[in-house]
Amino acid sequence: EPEVTQTPSHQVTQMGQEVILRCVPISNHLYFYWYRQILGQKVEFLVSFYNNEISEKSEIFDDQFSVERPDGSNFTLKIRSTKLEDSAMYFCASRLIWGTSGRVGTDTQYFGPGTRLTVL
Amino acid sequence: GNSVTQMEGPVTLSEEAFLTINCTYTATGYPSLFWYVQYPGEGLQLLLKATKADDKGSNKGFEATYRKETTSFHLEKGSVQVSDSAVYFCALLSMNSGGYQKVTFGTGTKLQVIP
Repeated sequence: EPEVTQTPSHQVTQMGQEVILRCVPISNHLYFYWYRQILGQKVEFLVSFYNNEISEKSEIFDDQFSVERPDGSNFTLKIRSTKLEDSAMYFCASRLIWGTSGRVGTDTQYFGPGTRLTVL
Repeated sequence: GNSVTQMEGPVTLSEEAFLTINCTYTATGYPSLFWYVQYPGEGLQLLLKATKADDKGSNKGFEATYRKETTSFHLEKGSVQVSDSAVYFCALLSMNSGGYQKVTFGTGTKLQVIP
């Protein structure tokens, strides 16, 4: 069964450094997402991406964050200058199709295994 | 805005006990509802889903029924096993004002099953 993959599984970085988290969504999916989960807390939406542009972002997704689909298969999340509070598990997700008009589509977001980011 | 409220954990049960994890939601329109499970050290896995009122999602012995009148989607299992120990997240999928899909998660409920 196709699955979303993420690399690396664990990233350790120094505060102020740039990190790039990588995701390979399921191949025929069109929508891509990043979420994060600070240890012991709930999963929070960061950003959604469709047709090579951001479709929605949360208040967490400030100018330090950016996303890119550089080559048609990878979907990356870049944090330009990491802060201690960026330490979290980052999940990528993808889904197949747009929901039907007037009604949320029944398609499901499929999540990757996550990248644990530790900022020292 | 949309929100999901889950019962707080941790929930500790003996093997073969009956499990209920409560979940209620607030949303406009007709959201889809999901339960995701996160085993220790792993990512989120879809456990079950329901896309409209009165639908029942089921998987691996777990069930949840979409109750629009009570805005609830409680997770149940008749007989839990040690291997069910994990964190369970209730989630809501909806369209936002811009027409894009968005998932809102509950805080998660940790389940510990002891032999």
